[in-house]
Amino acid sequence: AQSVAQPEDQVNVAEGNPLTVKCTYSVSGNPYLFWYVQYPNRGLQFLLKYITGDNLVKGSYGFEAEFNKSQTSFHLKKPSALVSDSALYFCAVRDTDSWGKLQFGAGTQVVVTP
Amino acid sequence: EPEVTQTPSHQVTQMGQEVILRCVPISNHLYFYWYRQILGQKVEFLVSFYNNEISEKSEIFDDQFSVERPDGSNFTLKIRSTKLEDSAMYFCASSARDSPHEQYFGPGTRLTVT
Repeated sequence: AQSVAQPEDQVNVAEGNPLTVKCTYSVSGNPYLFWYVQYPNRGLQFLLKYITGDNLVKGSYGFEAEFNKSQTSFHLKKPSALVSDSALYFCAVRDTDSWGKLQFGAGTQVVVTP
Repeated sequence: EPEVTQTPSHQVTQMGQEVILRCVPISNHLYFYWYRQILGQKVEFLVSFYNNEISEKSEIFDDQFSVERPDGSNFTLKIRSTKLEDSAMYFCASSARDSPHEQYFGPGTRLTVT
């Protein structure tokens, strides 16, 4: 069965510093990987995806993620964090037996302090 | 920017009652989904819907649940006889024909069963 793991419940970073949110995956076959962000009282917002191609994927709001097959990781990164990046971040993987079913990680709360 | 909307934002119901959660997907999207998140747990897939029929459903989606697209804009989730354990945040999502893997989520309906 496909799954993703987010090892950190919370990440704290000072504004202007680099931000990394970790995700590892377990899939059979080629993974389809996603990052979503959730602000308070809002739905999950799509940030970026990896399906094939370049290992470095660029997404919304200055975020990027690096697909690393040998380490089965798909970490989300931002070179310079903003206070407004404080939110809940979810990594997800598409079930390879499915075209639409997403399996989500538990989420990582990012807190960016001024 | 087009977005998925959901109503109501919060629904309180008594155990055994029927509830209908409503969603308006993005207008040109063809794939529709429901997910739920029990407080403190992961976001879980419930069902996907395409071409007026269920494409896939999880083991959570038993015969107490049903989905419908009653007209060209709404997508509903019905729970026939609610249980305490149905209390959760329910998210609707939709995706487009040319990018089915990019699911756009609504803000959610918080269902509280008492």
